[in-house]
Parts: sequence; structure tokens; C-alpha cells
Amino acid sequence: DAKTTQPPSMDCAEGRAANLPCNHSTISGNEYVYWYRQIHSQGPQYIIHGLKNNETNEMASLIITEDRKSSTLILPHATLRDTAVYYCIVRAPNSGGSNYKLTFGKGTLLTVNP
Amino acid sequence: DSGVTQTPKHLITATGQRVTLRCSPRSGDLSVYWYQQSLDQGLQFLIQYYNGEERAKGNILERFSAQQFPDLHSELNLSSLELGDSALYFCASSASLHGDTQYFGPGTRLTVL
Repeated sequence: DAKTTQPPSMDCAEGRAANLPCNHSTISGNEYVYWYRQIHSQGPQYIIHGLKNNETNEMASLIITEDRKSSTLILPHATLRDTAVYYCIVRAPNSGGSNYKLTFGKGTLLTVNP
Repeated sequence: DSGVTQTPKHLITATGQRVTLRCSPRSGDLSVYWYQQSLDQGLQFLIQYYNGEERAKGNILERFSAQQFPDLHSELNLSSLELGDSALYFCASSASLHGDTQYFGPGTRLTVL
């Protein structure tokens, strides 16, 4: 799986959009970008994933650059409950062996301030 | 609510003891994964089962073992516990063998005294 780089922390004002960047310059053509988040000591929560097109669901939007070397997770209207560690994970689906796992890095601690 | 349940929520035990953590996957999911999260190591993959069979192993200690039963629930057995085994243990499930999207349970916090 490709290595990802995320800023260790970010702040966002409540009600504003939170834009969380992720660099994955060594991503392969068949690798997807996944985002999970973990609110303090709770189980990680799946947010969204994509291959090359931008994706949107009820939680967030995922913007992937044309060269696929970076992506941005957008929480359009951040609330205090969005304070969490956000993990960007790149992995190839349908891959065998130990690639069934999710490899979590250190992620970005997003703090939403009132 | 992810649909994955884990029991117990908290477990306090002594060194040298053995404990069993239980996980029920989301309805219809055949894959179960176990992860350990300690303060210094972050989230680490331990092991995966698919439809009752072990399919992938991570850095799981020999003192740890797991199994998945015919009803698809899974148990993680930790024996000869050491202080360093204190951690959060998460179970996740996915519909497919390849774990494209994994849904995590609330975790079991294990404290070894």
C-alpha cells in the first residue's frame, strides 16, 4: 500500500468547512484512497473512499487531484462532534495476503472550535 | 452505530491471566478483523478471519489467538497477559474477503495490572 502524509493537526471553526489534505505521491493505478476517522477512544469510522473521481456522501466530499498524488477530505460544515483523528489510507482492493488489513498512520487531529 | 458489537466494553485483569474478547460482525458480513491500539503503537492489525477461516495475520503475538464460529462471531483470546498488552482492541467487519470497507466496533479496553 502507498504511504500517505498528513499534517499532524488542524483547527477549524464550527460551521466552517474543514479541508484535510493527504499526500500519496507513490499511489498506484489500482489503489483507492480511503478516509476513516476516530473520535477519542471510539472505533474508527469509515467516511468515504474514491479512485480518481471526486466523491460525495452524506458525511463528506473527497477531492482527488488529476495526477492522484494527493487528495482533500472536505467536511462542509464542521461541528464540534467532528473533532477527531482523520486517517487517509491508500490501498488496493481485491489484493491478497496481508493487504486485507487497513494500515493506519498517525492521521490528522482535527479540532473544531466553537 | 456501525452494527458491529464487542463485549466486554472494559476488562481489568492481572498479569499472567487469560481473557477472551468477543465480536459480532454486522449482519451478513463474512470477514472479521482484529486490531490493537496502544498509546505508543497506534492502530495495528492483528488477524483476519473470513467465513470461519484464518486469512491474514499481522503482528499478532503467539500468546494471542482468535477464531470465528459458524454463526460468524469471533473471539480473540489473550493469554499470559503482560502489562504491555493493555490497549484498546477493536473488531471490524466487512462483507467481502478483501476488506474494501471495514466497519469497526466500539472496542474493548483491556487493562492489565
